[in-house]
Amino acid sequence: DQQVKQNSPSLSVQEGRISILNCDYTNSMFDYFLWYKKYPAEGPTFLISISSIKDKNEDGRFTVFLNKSAKHLSLHIVPSQPGDSAVYFCAAPPGTNSGYSTLTFGKGTMLLVSP
Amino acid sequence: GAVVSQHPSWVICKSGTSVKIECRSLDFQATTMFWYRQFPKQSLMLMATSNEGSKATYEQGVEKDKFLINHASLTLSTLTVTSAHPEDSSFYICSALRPGLAGKELFEQFFGPGTRLTVL
Repeated sequence: DQQVKQNSPSLSVQEGRISILNCDYTNSMFDYFLWYKKYPAEGPTFLISISSIKDKNEDGRFTVFLNKSAKHLSLHIVPSQPGDSAVYFCAAPPGTNSGYSTLTFGKGTMLLVSP
Repeated sequence: GAVVSQHPSWVICKSGTSVKIECRSLDFQATTMFWYRQFPKQSLMLMATSNEGSKATYEQGVEKDKFLINHASLTLSTLTVTSAHPEDSSFYICSALRPGLAGKELFEQFFGPGTRLTVL
């Protein structure tokens, strides 16, 4: 059972345009979400997070939106740059009440930003 | 951010040999570390949770006798792939957990750069 789903395996965007990466989840206990960026042959690096008490979190060019009723979140990158080309993973811990714990990852979306 | 290193970054070995991968948290103490593996075009799959001073907790379907984990200190966890076979070839990534700063995230998880294992 895949609790975190990223249904688009890839996305191509032109430089300067907006990139929108989507993530859906099924576990209503999830209340905190993270986005990671991963280059080939490297470990993931943390990008941005959002708590369920918010519906939007912004950090520079990156904004994450959370729609709890739809169990959906999205990562917006504006403007997109070629250096943003990477695989983006959506992840969630099982629940803040469980304390520090592991992450459930989506399968990732490969973003390609062309000049 | 905090730094987590892995060694080696890549290894090629013959079938039947054992391979040890080290994961170190360089600038913080980590009582909990995680080991993941990633197959091509697949997500990161958690293999086990490594707890300093106690036995590792393995995910369902992961053979604990094949993937030996030792978390001997607060900055080092090792994963040993015993009697490796070609199907064990994968990208192994560790991460270390650090309590988040007050007022920010509840916890922070920092990933190592990964180890590419190829078993011939």
